[in-house]
Amino acid sequence: AQTVTQSQPEMSVQEAETVTLSCTYDTSENNYYLFWYKQPPSRQMILVIRQEAYKQQNATENRFSVNFQKAAKSFSLKISDSQLGDTAMYFCAFMNLNQAGTALIFGKGTTLSVSS
Amino acid sequence: EPEVTQTPSHQVTQMGQEVILRCVPISNHLYFYWYRQILGQKVEFLVSFYNNEISEKSEIFDDQFSVERPDGSNFTLKIRSTKLEDSAMYFCASSEGSVNTEAFFGQGTRLTVV
Repeated sequence: AQTVTQSQPEMSVQEAETVTLSCTYDTSENNYYLFWYKQPPSRQMILVIRQEAYKQQNATENRFSVNFQKAAKSFSLKISDSQLGDTAMYFCAFMNLNQAGTALIFGKGTTLSVSS
Repeated sequence: EPEVTQTPSHQVTQMGQEVILRCVPISNHLYFYWYRQILGQKVEFLVSFYNNEISEKSEIFDDQFSVERPDGSNFTLKIRSTKLEDSAMYFCASSEGSVNTEAFFGQGTRLTVV
């Protein structure tokens, strides 16, 4: 069974600074996706970034980038130039691609607070 | 932009009552999901649904839960006899189901069982 671990329950950062959220996972699969989802106070789940396991290049989306270390099963999220609107809970998630339409497995989340 | 919509946004129900949570997935999506999030905890998978049947379910999804796609557009989650511990945020999601897939989430229904 796959597991996702986020070891930082809470993080805080000053506006304009950079913060890194950690995520590790455990799987015996080779074909999978990893995601970071953002859940602001509105409770909506918003996809931040996605990484395909077969790609060595780290995914980037504007201020968001990941450090994907497949051998170490590590998938951290870096937020550059943090903004107040980045304040949210961030969930790391895993999807096994060997079964189409399969469930996302989430970590417990990291609450990020951005202050001015 | 297409989105997954959920109704109601907040439902209060008495313990032991049946409740139906409704979702309208994105129209060309083939896979549908329900997740729940107990306040302050992680998001947990409940069930996935494809081709009018359950394709996967978790241990949480016991006999008191059922899902249905009654009319080709709605996707519902029914809880037959609610318990206090069913109080949570329930998220519906849908995906195209292809390899290059992304799950789109609705805004959730907050269920409070009293």
